[in-house]
Amino acid sequence: QKEVEQNSGPLSVPEGAIASLNCTYSDRGSQSFFWYRQYSGKSPELIMFIYSNGDKEDGRFTAQLNKASQYVSLLIRDSQPSDSATYLCAVTGGGTYKYIFGTGTRLKVLA
Amino acid sequence: SAVISQKPSRDICQRGTSLTIQCQVDSQVTMMFWYRQQPGQSLTLIATANQGSEATYESGFVIDKFPISRPNLTFSTLTVSNMSPEDSSIYLCSVTEGGGNQPQHFGDGTRLSIL
Repeated sequence: QKEVEQNSGPLSVPEGAIASLNCTYSDRGSQSFFWYRQYSGKSPELIMFIYSNGDKEDGRFTAQLNKASQYVSLLIRDSQPSDSATYLCAVTGGGTYKYIFGTGTRLKVLA
Repeated sequence: SAVISQKPSRDICQRGTSLTIQCQVDSQVTMMFWYRQQPGQSLTLIATANQGSEATYESGFVIDKFPISRPNLTFSTLTVSNMSPEDSSIYLCSVTEGGGNQPQHFGDGTRLSIL
């Protein structure tokens, strides 16, 4: 059974701090990794995707991938109250295009 | 990215009835997916809908309960049949614009309640 695990939270950080969200996956053959943000009552919105080991930065967001340790993380710099949402990690690969979603981490940014 | 329109946005249905959810994309896409998200849960893939072939269902989901159509590269429907309260959920379609490892983009979802 391929699994993707996330701490459900809530993860509370003060405004302006760095929020660090983590995700581990069980399938060593996984190839593609995605982070989605989901506000309450809304559909998931793509934030970042990463395919190669290392860091990928986009504005305040940085995705980090370590395939040897089978984890992917999302850093949010200068966190804002508007970043408060559930963050979903999704993984594909290992011979399939289908996403396996983690259960999501709820982030609260405190003003 | 593609603009995805999903209808209806919400509905309240009676037990035993069926509802068809539509997903329209503003560009041709290779793969379309249907998900269910139960309250407080993550997303569960129901099936993959590819144009010109039968949908591929995930374990626990069957065609008789969730028939899917994909008549062309911009449109798909999911029917939830013979509904029971356990089918109350958010149903989401998503698409990828390129190969299988490309990001998926989601429609706004259909919030379904069964009385």
